[in-house]
Amino acid sequence: GAVVSQHPSRVICKSGTSVKIECRSLDFQATTMFWYRQFPKQSLMLMATSNEGSKATYEQGVEKDKFLINHASLTLSTLTVTSAHPEDSSFYICSALGDPEAFFGQGTRLTVV
Amino acid sequence: DAKTTQPTSMDCAEGRAANLPCNHSTISGNEYVYWYRQIHSQGPQYIIHGLKNNETNEMASLIITEDRKSSTLILPHATLRDTAVYYCIVRVPNTGNQFYFGTGTSLTVIP
Repeated sequence: GAVVSQHPSRVICKSGTSVKIECRSLDFQATTMFWYRQFPKQSLMLMATSNEGSKATYEQGVEKDKFLINHASLTLSTLTVTSAHPEDSSFYICSALGDPEAFFGQGTRLTVV
Repeated sequence: DAKTTQPTSMDCAEGRAANLPCNHSTISGNEYVYWYRQIHSQGPQYIIHGLKNNETNEMASLIITEDRKSSTLILPHATLRDTAVYYCIVRVPNTGNQFYFGTGTSLTVIP
């Protein structure tokens, strides 16, 4: 299957700072990418759908000003967690939409201290 | 907004077939059934998908009932590496439709 790469795989940041997570589709062009968040022992929760060249669509309850998504090219989408707080600590996973399946990155473990 | 129901957990003996059920009684005519699995602390991995016919690939088989209200993922010879959470998802392919994950089934393969 196709390869989706996330960077960094782990990050620790101080409360109040911002963190950027990159998601790259390495071997195909992804018009659409998805961002998920996963808390321990829970399922993946879709945060937003990112479309190349347009604004992301956020799921209900997800703050768009806190979780900034940029999808400036067909191979790169970024998620920036702004003014991070300890409750934002989670496993963040991106996905690139192929045809007909979606390919997932390996995830980013964010810890806010 | 998951539209599927799966058992919370299952065990399977190594070398035996693992049969994972999924109920999707409200599935629409143009929605496919997708299966993914997630090994601890990794991103989900695509397994298989289908509409109404049974499907088989190198990883698994997918059996969909005639009324399409339920399906079963079959891992023919489970290994310890198949221990993971398995997610059943319904979705219309070839669109920008999202993949919504339900609670999934935690499969433990026992030596």
